Amino acid sequence: LAKTTQPISMDSYEGQEVNITCSHNNIATNDYITWYQQFPSQGPRFIIQGYKTKVTNEVASLFIPADRKSSTLSLPRVSLSDTAVYYCLVGDAGGATNKLIFGTGTLLAVQP
Amino acid sequence: DTAVSQTPKYLVTQMGNDKSIKCEQNLGHDTMYWYKQDSKKFLKIMFSYNNKELIINETVPNRFSPKSPDKAHLNLHINSLELGDSAVYFCASSQDPQGAGASVYEQYFGPGTRLTVT
Repeated sequence: LAKTTQPISMDSYEGQEVNITCSHNNIATNDYITWYQQFPSQGPRFIIQGYKTKVTNEVASLFIPADRKSSTLSLPRVSLSDTAVYYCLVGDAGGATNKLIFGTGTLLAVQP
Repeated sequence: DTAVSQTPKYLVTQMGNDKSIKCEQNLGHDTMYWYKQDSKKFLKIMFSYNNKELIINETVPNRFSPKSPDKAHLNLHINSLELGDSAVYFCASSQDPQGAGASVYEQYFGPGTRLTVT
């Protein structure tokens, strides 16, 4: 099982770009990298998913180096409402769902 | 319309009781899940279920059992509740992971049920 390691917390200010890095040294060939966001008292929400290189959507970008042993979630110009816990997950797209493991997550605190 | 809904939102009960949490999804998904998030915010999968199979996390006590009356519902039954069962329980759904390709881990979560056992 590919375990992930993220910083426990990060601080930022409104308008800044925030980069959260996740380590997954044991990532398998079939594994995808997925990021979720969780606000207090809510369920996690899917943000972005990728396999390699760079993926961008309307919310964030995901950078994955060639060795895929880490990934970086990039949030452009954060606002106060981006304060949340961000989880990095690594899993097999075609495998059993009990491989879906949420790590400790990174608590991002955005200040004015 | 709420995609994944759970009831109740809060549940306070005493040790030894049996309780159920209901979950419904209107996304037409084939697979549903139950997660437990403890006080330290660790989110752990408990079950995944579709019309083909039930996958159980081996760490889940057999006091917990999922019941699916139809594809849109996966209820969680808990027998003989213990203090350590206090947590927030999330229901989620997705397309069948076995055929969904890269979007397999786009799971849609419900708002959670905060269970307090006294």
